[in-house]
Amino acid sequence: DAGVIQSPRHEVTEMGQEVTLRCKPISGHDYLFWYRQTMMRGLELLIYFNNNVPIDDSGMPEDRFSAKMPNASFSTLKIQPSEPRDSAVYFCASSLGTGRYEQYFGPGTRLTVT
Amino acid sequence: DAKTTQPPSMDCAEGRAANLPCNHSTISGNEYVYWYRQIHSQGPQYIIHGLKNNETNEMASLIITEDRKSSTLILPHATLRDTAVYYCIALIYNQGGKLIFGQGTELSVKP
Repeated sequence: DAGVIQSPRHEVTEMGQEVTLRCKPISGHDYLFWYRQTMMRGLELLIYFNNNVPIDDSGMPEDRFSAKMPNASFSTLKIQPSEPRDSAVYFCASSLGTGRYEQYFGPGTRLTVT
Repeated sequence: DAKTTQPPSMDCAEGRAANLPCNHSTISGNEYVYWYRQIHSQGPQYIIHGLKNNETNEMASLIITEDRKSSTLILPHATLRDTAVYYCIALIYNQGGKLIFGQGTELSVKP
């Protein structure tokens, strides 16, 4: 398996623009997670899905952030409108089975909002 | 979930064993100890986990004290590629998939 795939790897955008980050989990995994990492706040869980259903979105910073998982092989994290403080590395991870914490992380998307 | 405490940084000589401590004095009986690491600019990587018995896999060994208040991750023969931030996480199994990462220990393996 190719592992968790994220795109784009780097994104530079201007404040106010919409940004969409994409993730393809490992085939067969039923959990999908979105994390954000900054120097100030470290690695934070934003939201996670189980069988395409959002389970916990308490980490989503505000209404400008939204995440969807239309099917088992694809998820998006959207920021609209983007702000400079959204600059971070965004990771997607997937895992298998209820309660499984062996999460497999993608390479991340480095987002810069100017 | 129990709070974990780790030293912010450690050094280790290449080829020697790296012993990374983690304190989790408030851990409850049904909380597991998980270890991840993050090599610079990559996504975190699962290493190992345990409940109360010592565990070993191809990457590392996990030693949990009998009272479960602390644990040690052992990399038996550290290489330069083991330089990373190591995270110790205590959590209850079968309660969703929520990992909460602390500050971790930055391990520098030196030649």
